[in-house]
Amino acid sequence: NAGVTQTPKFQVLKTGQSMTLQCAQDMNHNSMYWYRQDPGMGLRLIYYSASEGTTDKGEVPNGYNVSRLNKREFSLRLESAAPSQTSVYFCASSDRLAGGYEQYFGPGTRLTVT
Amino acid sequence: GIQVEQSPPDLILQEGANSTLRCNFSDSVNNLQWFHQNPWGQLINLFYIPSGTKQNGRLSATTVATERYSLLYISSSQTTDSGVYFCAVGYNTNAGKSTFGDGTTLTVKP
Repeated sequence: NAGVTQTPKFQVLKTGQSMTLQCAQDMNHNSMYWYRQDPGMGLRLIYYSASEGTTDKGEVPNGYNVSRLNKREFSLRLESAAPSQTSVYFCASSDRLAGGYEQYFGPGTRLTVT
Repeated sequence: GIQVEQSPPDLILQEGANSTLRCNFSDSVNNLQWFHQNPWGQLINLFYIPSGTKQNGRLSATTVATERYSLLYISSSQTTDSGVYFCAVGYNTNAGKSTFGDGTTLTVKP
């Protein structure tokens, strides 16, 4: 099991460029999430998907769009990148077990917008 | 939304020392996880512990949900324990989405 995988690992964009961050999980989880982590801070939720075909906004959704392509894949798109979107982006997945939700994280994508 | 406060923000220890990290949260929750972010940025699951006590080797955690706090204990610390420790809390509704604290940065010196 690879768990949660993310591509790319690193990316540099110029202001105004667009890009899509890819995430896939092989744990058959229903729920998936995108977070961003700024220096010295905890993770903040951008968007999440409770199940295939549904997506909802998190705490900081402005400037982003998401697609839940199928049960395995959840992508994050920046339509017009801004320097304020320089951050490390983490994808996670989880499922509703008897005890609740336990999230598992990918390795992250380090994005710099100049 | 839920407020999550972690303390202390920074902790420096000598190898072999013990430590206690605290996570306070502002509302009743039924999801709580502790993570270790290593110096390479990877987030490692330590405990899923919405209530009760769990132990895994030198690490243990206790959550008292009724009093809205959780504690992470690290005994006989090693240099490899260095990194940032995060607490994340949430509800079982809304796909279990979580709110993270700002973390405790632990440095273990040899």
